[in-house]
Amino acid sequence: GESVGLHLPTLSVQEGDNSIINCAYSNSASDYFIWYKQESGKGPQFIIDIRSNMDKRQGQRVTVLLNKTVKHLSLQIAATQPGDSAVYFCAENSNQGGKLIFGQGTELSVKP
Amino acid sequence: DAGVTQSPTHLIKTRGQQVTLRCSPISGHKSVSWYQQVLGQGPQFIFQYYEKEERGRGNFPDRFSARQFPNYSSELNVNALLLGDSALYLCASSLTYLGNNEQFFGPGTRLTVL
Repeated sequence: GESVGLHLPTLSVQEGDNSIINCAYSNSASDYFIWYKQESGKGPQFIIDIRSNMDKRQGQRVTVLLNKTVKHLSLQIAATQPGDSAVYFCAENSNQGGKLIFGQGTELSVKP
Repeated sequence: DAGVTQSPTHLIKTRGQQVTLRCSPISGHKSVSWYQQVLGQGPQFIFQYYEKEERGRGNFPDRFSARQFPNYSSELNVNALLLGDSALYLCASSLTYLGNNEQFFGPGTRLTVL
């Protein structure tokens, strides 16, 4: 069935460390992937996206890696800060218009 | 510029009632999508509308319906509410209906069904 799954539901890191959040997707035909950050009481906030013709994309302190061979997506956050504490979702576009399929989410907790 | 706005912020209803949720997209965006987010899970796609036409529908019962107005705002209606409809309802807007367009989410409407 449709699913985008996360390997780890929770991740706790020390401030200043790098964080890596992983995601497995199931639809090999998907060609667009997005990472969202959701803070408590708010809607998902776009972090970074990547298209299937790329395997790496960098933003400000964030990097997304795409491995189409094993259908794996990861989000790397450099020098993690307390403000990064949130739930992170990966999402894929299923080539059905604008429909996004979200994973369950990983809660990132940053310890000062 | 204002982002995606949704109203109301919170809503409490009882089983069997009907509810209407509203969304205003970012200026210039013509596509609106609705998602349901149950506590502890990722958002689930309900509908997408573009230029007032339905462009996609998720696996939700016919109790859920939506429409888009000429100004691209949208309403989501849910009839005969069930306890399981309690969730955060999110609206997302994008320039077009294409999947590779960035979608911007609103803050959501928290619906509680008692």
